[in-house]
Amino acid sequence: DQQVKQNSPSLSVQEGRISILNCDYTNSMFDYFLWYKKYPAEGPTFLISISSIKDKNEDGRFTVFLNKSAKHLSLHIVPSQPGDSAVYFCAASKNTGTASKLTFGTGTRLQVTL
Amino acid sequence: GAVVSQHPSRVICKSGTSVKIECRSLDFQATTMFWYRQFPKQSLMLMATSNEGSKATYEQGVEKDKFLINHASLTLSTLTVTSAHPEDSSFYICSARDPTGPTDTQYFGPGTRLTVL
Repeated sequence: DQQVKQNSPSLSVQEGRISILNCDYTNSMFDYFLWYKKYPAEGPTFLISISSIKDKNEDGRFTVFLNKSAKHLSLHIVPSQPGDSAVYFCAASKNTGTASKLTFGTGTRLQVTL
Repeated sequence: GAVVSQHPSRVICKSGTSVKIECRSLDFQATTMFWYRQFPKQSLMLMATSNEGSKATYEQGVEKDKFLINHASLTLSTLTVTSAHPEDSSFYICSARDPTGPTDTQYFGPGTRLTVL
């Protein structure tokens, strides 16, 4: 049972444009969401997170939007750069305040072209 | 940001042997570490939660006698794959939560590629 889903396995975006990566979840108990970036044969790198009490969090070129009613979150990267090419995973956890388990999506491979 | 290291980065072993993978938090103390496994083109699957000074908590379907976890200090957790078989070949990644950082944010090691011949 895939509780966190990333329905687009891949995405290609031109340099300078906006990249939008989507993530859906089914467990309404999730209350903390994170985005990680991963290169092949490396561990994921934390990018940005959002608590369920917010609907937007911004950090530089990265913005995460959360729509709780739709159980949907998205990561916006603008402007996209070639170095952003990687696999992006969204992850979710419940019961913030503890070292909670993360449930990961299946990932979206982003390719930023020149 | 917080740094987590793993050793070795790559290991090849014969079937039936045991392999130990180390996970270290370099600049913070982690009371909790996590071990994941990732098969090609699949998501990260949590195997177990490693708690310092106590027994690890394993996810459903993960054999605790096969994947031995020891979290002997606040900066070190080890995963030992016992009697490894080819089907155990995978990419193993650990993570640690920095208790002084954002809630529930885990920082990941670079991973260990295990190949069992």
